Formats: sequence, structure tokens, C-alpha cells
Amino acid sequence: QVQLVESGGGVVQPGGSLRLSCAASGFTFSTYAMHWVRQAPGKGLEWVAVISYEGSNKYYADSAKGRFTISRDNSKNTLYLQMNSLRAEDTAVYYCAKGKTYATLDGMDVWGQGTTVTVSS
Amino acid sequence: DIQMTQSPSSLSASVGDRVTITCQASQDISNCLNWYQQKPGKAPKLLIYDASNLETGVPSRFSGSGSGTDFTFTISSLQPEDIATYYCQQDDNLPYTFGPGTKVDIK
Repeated sequence: QVQLVESGGGVVQPGGSLRLSCAASGFTFSTYAMHWVRQAPGKGLEWVAVISYEGSNKYYADSAKGRFTISRDNSKNTLYLQMNSLRAEDTAVYYCAKGKTYATLDGMDVWGQGTTVTVSS
Repeated sequence: DIQMTQSPSSLSASVGDRVTITCQASQDISNCLNWYQQKPGKAPKLLIYDASNLETGVPSRFSGSGSGTDFTFTISSLQPEDIATYYCQQDDNLPYTFGPGTKVDIK
């Protein structure tokens, strides 16, 4: 079955950096777009970034542009999110999610369990 | 960016009731609309994709309809395990925006 397992969350000071990872299994990782979505405490869902199946196309929410970088290693079935210049408002649970459709940029079907990022001094 | 609105923001209904949630997009998104269920402390789960298609394994009491800017999500007979927050999301244009959510609980 499709499984996504995030890791790399933790507590970081404002201005710091963190790299999240998402290990995928149960599907052909290299043929699906992948997303990061976050949820601040007690708030709704916010889409963060998406990367195409081969990694050549990347798109970001305005809140992530210039600070976050999405990447993937198809040989390792792993998705990444490099987060720099972190702010208190980046505090959230970060989910990775698989694109719905083969080789297509569209929404997400399967989600990981999430990893928590806390930005605090 | 496309703005998504949902109503109501919360509702309370009895077991067996029909529950309806509406979602409106700020511009035409054709049928590029998904519905997710999120239970407390859990990851979201896709229920309906492309406005009206039931995801594999999802009970048939869940359904969706609509196109363009106006969409509806229905639970035909509310069950205790349906207590959750429900989100609509458009994937017509990046950024893929979510609605603010509708919290459903049992009366």
C-alpha cells in the first residue's frame, strides 16, 4: 500500500533552517508529482509547494517563495523540503502528499502522517 | 490566486441525518475540486476528486457535485465515525488553495 513517512521536524530558532524528508513506498515514486502542505496549530490546510514527477518543475506558495526549496531524489524514493530563514508563522505540522494522477501536476490523494516544525526562541 | 469559501463553518447533526456542505470558488475551476476529511490529530484523507468522483474505498454515503464555481458535498446518512473537519480544495490553478473547513459533529 502507498505509504509516506515524514521526518526532520523539530524546534528551531527564528532565522534558522530545517530540512524535512518524506520517504515514499508502495508506488512508483518517480512517476507522480509530490506536494508539501502545512497546518498551523488550530488552523486550516495551506498548500506549500509541489514538484513534478521528474523534478524539473517546482511551484511555491507566496509564503514559501525565496525561503523554501522542494526537491526529490527518485533513486531514493524521497521528497525533501529545505526551509531557511524560518519565522514563527512557519510553525505547523508539515505533510507530504502524493499527486493524484500519473505524470500530472494536480491535487493530492495520499498523505503522510506529518512532522511538526516549531519556530521559537 | 483562487479563493475558496465554505459554508457553514461548523454544523451539528444527528446520526442518520443528511448533511450538506457548500464550497464556492472565486472563479471558474471547471470540475477541479477535491474534498478531504480530517479527523482530529490525523492527516487529511481524500474522499471526492474531480468534484463528483468517489475515491476508492470511501463509503457511498459520501458524494459530491457541482462545476464552475459552486460545489456541494453531501453525507447522506451521518455516522458517528464521520465526525471530522471537511475541506474543499481546487487544483485547477496553482497555488492549490483550500477552503477554510467545515467542522461536523454529532448533536
